Amino acid sequence: DTGVSQDPRHKITKRGQNVTFRCDPISEHNRLYWYRQTLGQGPEFLTYFQNEAQLEKSRLLSDRFSAERPKGSFSTLEIQRTEQGDSAMYLCASSPTGASNSGYTFGSGTRLTVV
Amino acid sequence: AQSVTQPDIHITVSEGASLELRCNYSYGATPYLFWYVQSPGQGLQLLLKYFSGDTLVQGIKGFEAEFKRSQSSFNLRKPSVHWSDAAEYFCAVAGGNQGGKLIFGQGTELSVKP
Repeated sequence: DTGVSQDPRHKITKRGQNVTFRCDPISEHNRLYWYRQTLGQGPEFLTYFQNEAQLEKSRLLSDRFSAERPKGSFSTLEIQRTEQGDSAMYLCASSPTGASNSGYTFGSGTRLTVV
Repeated sequence: AQSVTQPDIHITVSEGASLELRCNYSYGATPYLFWYVQSPGQGLQLLLKYFSGDTLVQGIKGFEAEFKRSQSSFNLRKPSVHWSDAAEYFCAVAGGNQGGKLIFGQGTELSVKP
């Protein structure tokens, strides 16, 4: 297993378009997290899944954002009607349920630029 | 609510000098504490973590951190900084036996002078 993979690495889109990002976690990890990071800030929690169940959503996750993890493996994060304020790095992480053993592993992120 | 404060936005140290990055957390129970490092345009790499036991934890790349419950702090230290340590450093907290979401601080950018 090569760690957490995110695709694409970069995405440039026009305002108003929809975009979808994919995250493939470490296969043994049943928890998957999405974060957003803007320049000069720490990552902000968006949502997380345990297997296919979405357990928590941040208030940052407006109704334009939707995340899925249909089979408890990979996850997608979709942003509809993108706005310039959505420009950020979107990070995915995974962990086992008891994160005390191995902690959280992050992917390299997807950088979104909305023009 | 959980929160993390990193008081120093930017720190510059000379190569070979010692380093201490500050982190204060707010959490009602025993926290799980982490330090991550991020190079420009990259994801986050775990340096070290604290869950329980010895309050001085050793990490990768020669880093260590000390958990001080009385001060709600988890400061990161390195005795001798290398130029390759220049990066952004994030402290984070998670709560509960089952982990759950990480809450990050704002980050401290480290610059290293030759």
